[in-house]
Formats: sequence, C-alpha cells, structure tokens
Amino acid sequence: DIQLTQSPSFLSASVGDRVTITCRASQGISSYLAWYHQKPGKAPKFLIYAASTLQSGVPSRFSGSGSGTEFTLTISSLQPEDFATYYCQQVNSYPITFGQGTRLEIK
Amino acid sequence: EVQLVESGGGLVQPGGSLRLSCAASGFTFSDHYMDWVRQAPGKGLEWVARSRGKPQSYTTEYAASVKGRFTISRDDSGNSLYLQMNSLKTEDTAVYYCARGHIVGGIYYGMDVWGQGTTVTVSS
Repeated sequence: DIQLTQSPSFLSASVGDRVTITCRASQGISSYLAWYHQKPGKAPKFLIYAASTLQSGVPSRFSGSGSGTEFTLTISSLQPEDFATYYCQQVNSYPITFGQGTRLEIK
Repeated sequence: EVQLVESGGGLVQPGGSLRLSCAASGFTFSDHYMDWVRQAPGKGLEWVARSRGKPQSYTTEYAASVKGRFTISRDDSGNSLYLQMNSLKTEDTAVYYCARGHIVGGIYYGMDVWGQGTTVTVSS
C-alpha cells in the first residue's frame, strides 16, 4: 500500500497568513494526488486534483504543486472559513489511501 | 443540484449485518465511479470500496480490511448505491460516506461530491 505522510500534523495560524502543508508518498504516484478539507461534523470537500488543478468553485487562494513523491498545498491568505482539517489522497493505485490529516487552527 | 444522501446506519452487535444506502440525484448516476469512505471516531479517512460505472462494466474494488465481508452494489434505475456489511467488527464503527468519482478524460482523479454520512456503531 502507498503511505501518505502529511506535515505538519497540527498548524496554528492567523487570518491573512500564508500556509503550506506537505504530503509525502512512500512511492511515486505521478500527479495522482487530491486535496480535501473537512470541518467538524461535515463531509470532506474536494479542493484540488491532479496535484495542482483547482476544483470548480474553490477559491484561487488555494494552490497545489508537486509530482512523484512530494506534494504541497498552499493557502495564500487564510480566511476564517479555511480553518479545518486537510487531507491528501492518492488515487494512483489500490487501495486508495489518505494522509493522516493536518489540523489547521486559528492562532 | 448534485446530491448524495446516505441512510441505513445504526447500532449493531459484533458479527451482525447492516446495509447502507446512498441515494443520488442531479447527475447521470450510471456513468460514475462511486465510493464508500469511512471515518472512525476522531480518526482520519479510510477508503472502503468502489463501484465503477456502466462504461467500466460495474467492476468493484475493496480495501483489504473489508474484503470478503462487505459488498458494494448499485441500482442505476433507482440511482442508488449500497454497501452490504456482514460479520461486523467493533473496528468497523465509523461514519460512512458515499462519494462520487471525479473523472476527467476517462481518468479518475478523486471524489468530488460527498454525502453527509451515516453512522455505524458496532458494539455489544
């Protein structure tokens, strides 16, 4: 199975900050990586696919990059609604796997 | 509006069975990959099972943790996805989500629509 390791696991930041979350895969997955965020008690929301393509309707302050084994999600200027848990997901091979999550909280 | 609504969760004893349903609306259900993803209390996301759509002959995939115990199926005429769960274990306790596959140029890239989830508790 492909393991995805996110760093950091916890991040404290302020509105307006620029933040970056890293996702490392245990083996190469080309660009078959997606990002989601999830608020407490809610379903995950699809943000980015193919490592860097923004899903329709997602604000442009979100961006993704990377390929192979190292990927990043960047939020250029945090807004109050961005405070949530972020997950990466690989869809290169079965079983589909998720990172352990990065909890982004308000400082 | 594209929507997924799960139902069928509840409390069941270890070794018991449960059938989850996911009602889809607002899109051509038969064309889409559909997945079940679960989240144990306080934990991360775990992919459970996949049903590919009609173009891919409805083939299925399972996580090792549920293979042989869970069965994913679908009824395209009723726009519904199902998860039959047998021989349930305490570690199957989770919120179960159904999700639609995001396909671009015939390639699967993730899960773009999610239901609100249904809670399964396996306990004696």
